[in-house]
Amino acid sequence: SQQGEEDPQALSIQEGENATMNCSYKTSINNLQWYRQNSGRGLVHLILIRSNEREKHSGRLRVTLDTSKKSSSLLITASRAADTASYFCATGPNTGGFKTIFGAGTRLFVKA
Amino acid sequence: EAEVAQSPRYKITEKSQAVAFWCDPISGHATLYWYRQILGQGPELLVQFQDESVVDDSQLPKDRFSAERLKGVDSTLKIQPAELGDSAMYLCASSLADRGLYYEQYFGPGTRLTVT
Repeated sequence: SQQGEEDPQALSIQEGENATMNCSYKTSINNLQWYRQNSGRGLVHLILIRSNEREKHSGRLRVTLDTSKKSSSLLITASRAADTASYFCATGPNTGGFKTIFGAGTRLFVKA
Repeated sequence: EAEVAQSPRYKITEKSQAVAFWCDPISGHATLYWYRQILGQGPELLVQFQDESVVDDSQLPKDRFSAERLKGVDSTLKIQPAELGDSAMYLCASSLADRGLYYEQYFGPGTRLTVT
């Protein structure tokens, strides 16, 4: 079973609006990553946040991590039509091994 | 910019046939991953190599799937015999050494397999 669970499953917004996606996980982690996948393509790494970090920024992306709640959020500010894609959270190697586990993803549609 | 190469990009095969996928990771990346992604779901790790050694293959259906990375560089994933339920995207990724430290994974474009 997959550890990361994204919420919402799908999100439709207007260009220029902010998009927020949430991820919950079950076990302790060393880090959490967010990836983007355009339709029918491979995944692209967006940002990594380590377990001792609470917030991280990269361009229009802002990621938060709350290890007490086992949750993370990805905020995309001033969204563009080109941001239309699926977004996945993935938990990195945990204390029990090296496996990366992906959630089911949030499908974001940005309307021009 | 270096990329992970995969071939073929698309494969249609009949059930009970054998099929093979190839992946060439980014040069210098010791860790190689094979994932299966069913439409509408996230990628599921099938096998992870550290150099030529298997680190994790707990989700690999070993009765029909096999993977090798003989020289610690490129890798082949094989399915024999293919079943209808194997229809999915097969993704290969690579990263720098992963010994308790995480490095970002670089994904190839994937191979879309359709089993008829």
